[in-house]
Amino acid sequence: ETGVTQSPTHLIKTRGQQVTLRCSSQSGHNTVSWYQQALGQGPQFIFQYYREEENGRGNFPPRFSGLQFPNYSSELNVNALELDDSALYLCASSSGGRTDTQYFGPGTRLTVL
Amino acid sequence: AQKITQTQPGMFVQEKEAVTLDCTYDTSDPSYGLFWYKQPSSGEMIFLIYQGSYDQQNATEGRYSLNFQKARKSANLVISASQLGDSAMYFCAMREGRVSGTYKYIFGTGTRLKVLA
Repeated sequence: ETGVTQSPTHLIKTRGQQVTLRCSSQSGHNTVSWYQQALGQGPQFIFQYYREEENGRGNFPPRFSGLQFPNYSSELNVNALELDDSALYLCASSSGGRTDTQYFGPGTRLTVL
Repeated sequence: AQKITQTQPGMFVQEKEAVTLDCTYDTSDPSYGLFWYKQPSSGEMIFLIYQGSYDQQNATEGRYSLNFQKARKSANLVISASQLGDSAMYFCAMREGRVSGTYKYIFGTGTRLKVLA
């Protein structure tokens, strides 16, 4: 186990609703990244937070937003949910440094009906 | 254009044999990192190995080694002595943006490996 935890494990929402996903990073890690993984595809990078600031973003619209807290845990918020937002959402934490290797949590499976 | 290309959707290998999973990448960033992850059916991504763009030696981690050919922009994963537990989806990934300080991570589409008894 990596020490990265995510909640909830599964979630069902309807189109147009808003959702908040949570991630606790591994001890000693100050960087958190979020990914969306649709079924049968590779993860797509949403954004990264380093010391409470966003320092990298993929090609996702502004309705995908995030926060990082002083204890380095993080939230991913998605507004105005669409059917295509149904996916596994993965959180990864890292400690920076030369390799900045990311360690992933178990993911949150979001279903939008 | 795809920044990370994994051309093998599926691979089979006999137990105890070696297998190579292909990965090519495309970037103009002079400083980048290359990663391989394993994703079993349970869904969790497991870090396997890392190669930095300036690393002179190929990375190795136990039974995993990365065949890094910078001029060809390839970063193939070699798994030696395959085990049944190696059956999983394998993703190649690249991190760009270290120089600018704004990171982006790109994953390939994955290769599903099946180890046969």
